[in-house]
Amino acid sequence: SQQGEEDPQALSIQEGENATMNCSYKTSINNLQWYRQNSGRGLVHLILIRSNEREKHSGRLRVTLDTSKKSSSLLITASRAADTASYFCVPSGFQKLVFGTGTRLLVSP
Amino acid sequence: GAGVSQSPSNKVTEKGKDVELRCDPISGHTALYWYRQSLGQGLEFLIYFQGNSAPDKSGLPSDRFSAERTGGSVSTLTIQRTQQEDSAVYLCASSLVQGAGNEQFFGPGTRLTVL
Repeated sequence: SQQGEEDPQALSIQEGENATMNCSYKTSINNLQWYRQNSGRGLVHLILIRSNEREKHSGRLRVTLDTSKKSSSLLITASRAADTASYFCVPSGFQKLVFGTGTRLLVSP
Repeated sequence: GAGVSQSPSNKVTEKGKDVELRCDPISGHTALYWYRQSLGQGLEFLIYFQGNSAPDKSGLPSDRFSAERTGGSVSTLTIQRTQQEDSAVYLCASSLVQGAGNEQFFGPGTRLTVL
């Protein structure tokens, strides 16, 4: 199995600021996914980036992937209080997905 | 459309009792996962079903834990002789196809409290 390690463990920012979270992993991957978990909506899938992609956008989210460094980043632009949540990166190949401990993001009004 | 559902949403039980937690995956999803999440912690993988293949039970913490998936759809996670350390939120997820993107769709979870 494979597991991503998110960094930092916790991040506090003000509304309107950008939030960047990083992820490192150790094995070869087919794709990498980011998930968000908050008390209101539970655990939901945010975005998937394939191993042959370097960058992907979805609304205010921007994900990068560097397979040579086995790392990924998630950028949330113009953050909102509703972005407060834990964020998990999940590298995946052809095995079961394994979640790490995530980055806890707090966006203050 | 209907998402993943779990029941009950909350379960309070006494130490030593058995509990059953149910998961209804999204129709047509062949892969089903159970996770456990203790307060303030990440997700802990428990067990994974894929179609008719033998389940991957590598995450089950002890032989008190078991799960089955009937007819390739509904799954039940059973915890026998519950202990206080079993208290956690148990999450179920399903995905369409393993190994092809396999975005997981999560249920709302069952919060288990063992007194």
